[in-house]
Amino acid sequence: GAGVSQSPSNKVTEKGKDVELRCDPISGHTALYWYRQSLGQGLEFLIYFQGNSAPDKSGLPSDRFSAERTGGSVSTLTIQRTQQEDSAVYLCASSLAGGRSTDTQYFGPGTRLTVL
Amino acid sequence: AQSVSQHNHHVILSEAASLELGCNYSYGGTVNLFWYVQYPGQHLQLLLKYFSGDPLVKGIKGFEAEFIKSKFSFNLRKPSVQWSDTAEYFCAVKEGAGTALIFGKGTTLSVSS
Repeated sequence: GAGVSQSPSNKVTEKGKDVELRCDPISGHTALYWYRQSLGQGLEFLIYFQGNSAPDKSGLPSDRFSAERTGGSVSTLTIQRTQQEDSAVYLCASSLAGGRSTDTQYFGPGTRLTVL
Repeated sequence: AQSVSQHNHHVILSEAASLELGCNYSYGGTVNLFWYVQYPGQHLQLLLKYFSGDPLVKGIKGFEAEFIKSKFSFNLRKPSVQWSDTAEYFCAVKEGAGTALIFGKGTTLSVSS
């Protein structure tokens, strides 16, 4: 079946602009995660959605970052007033049921964000 | 805070050599353990995982990992690497009742033919 898809694959923006990154999880997966992969920092958790529960936003680095998930499926990560340090690959992952301890996350191809 | 350490930043091997990549974590409770691989130009793929039971787990492409609870380790092994194993390897930990994966910084494996 289809895996996690993300768009765009690459995004170049100017400092101060807002950007939106999209994630389509695997069909039937109720849990959705956003991570950031940057040089020197590795992979960092950003935010987690599980069904209709309030999202876990504990990994968001600043209030410029926000995310929403509509209809329990597609998610959009928004970065406002982008800064050069926001340049990274933003990864989305989904899993069948995040609340289970045996849950496994499957990753999308990522969006490479470059802030000039 | 929980953390994951991967001891080797870059490993260079010849084909047919044996591989062992180290991974240690700091959390003392129940954990789920994962190795992910990222081949050049591709996205992260699950290599293998440990939840419970036999501490020696086998994954795809001949990889295996051993969970040693007393050492807080989950080292990845392969008896004979191939050129196609050239990739970046990430160890990740998830607390038993938690949600987010905590990743190590990754190990780049370069295999020469």
